[in-house]
Amino acid sequence: KQEVTQIPAALSVPEGENLVLNCSFTDSAIYNLQWFRQDPGKGLTSLLLIQSSQREQTSGRLNASLDKSSGRSTLYIAASQPGDSATYLCAVFDGSSNTGKLIFGQGTTLQVKP
Amino acid sequence: NAGVTQTPKFQVLKTGQSMTLQCAQDMNHEYMSWYRQDPGMGLRLIHYSVGAGITDQGEVPNGYNVSRSTTEDFPLRLLSAAPSQTSVYFCASSYSGWETQYFGPGTRLLVL
Repeated sequence: KQEVTQIPAALSVPEGENLVLNCSFTDSAIYNLQWFRQDPGKGLTSLLLIQSSQREQTSGRLNASLDKSSGRSTLYIAASQPGDSATYLCAVFDGSSNTGKLIFGQGTTLQVKP
Repeated sequence: NAGVTQTPKFQVLKTGQSMTLQCAQDMNHEYMSWYRQDPGMGLRLIHYSVGAGITDQGEVPNGYNVSRSTTEDFPLRLLSAAPSQTSVYFCASSYSGWETQYFGPGTRLLVL
């Protein structure tokens, strides 16, 4: 059974720091991987989708990498800002089923202090 | 585009009552799904649909029904609400299920 783990559960950094959020999964038979942002009491906002054939994907200050063989993905945030404070969720598309099912990690709650 | 919309935003039910959570998307997506989010459990798939007239169960389908009569709408019905169904419910859509999935703002449900 696919399991997704995100470490750390919480992270607090000063404004301007570059930071890395980690996501690991137990079964390398994933289709794609998607990173989301969730603000308190809000829905999920898609940040990046990495296809299984890709190694990385970039959007603005965000860079996500994928290493299927080691079961890892990282989300790199450059020059962090207080507005980046949120919970970041990693989700893998379950390659063992034909459902488009996303399997989520528990998330990393990021606080960027001014 | 409004994207994925959900109504209501918040609902309080008594045990045994029924209700329908509405979900609509205007992106012409074939794939739609429902998740629930609970502390410590993360997000779990309830039901999904790969197109109008086609639905199937996800990980935690018990106590919920769905139907898909149009491409745009995918309502989730609680047949007889139980306190264990207190949760935040999210609807999502994508073109095929394997591409970027877009989530709605969620419905917070409290069952007393």
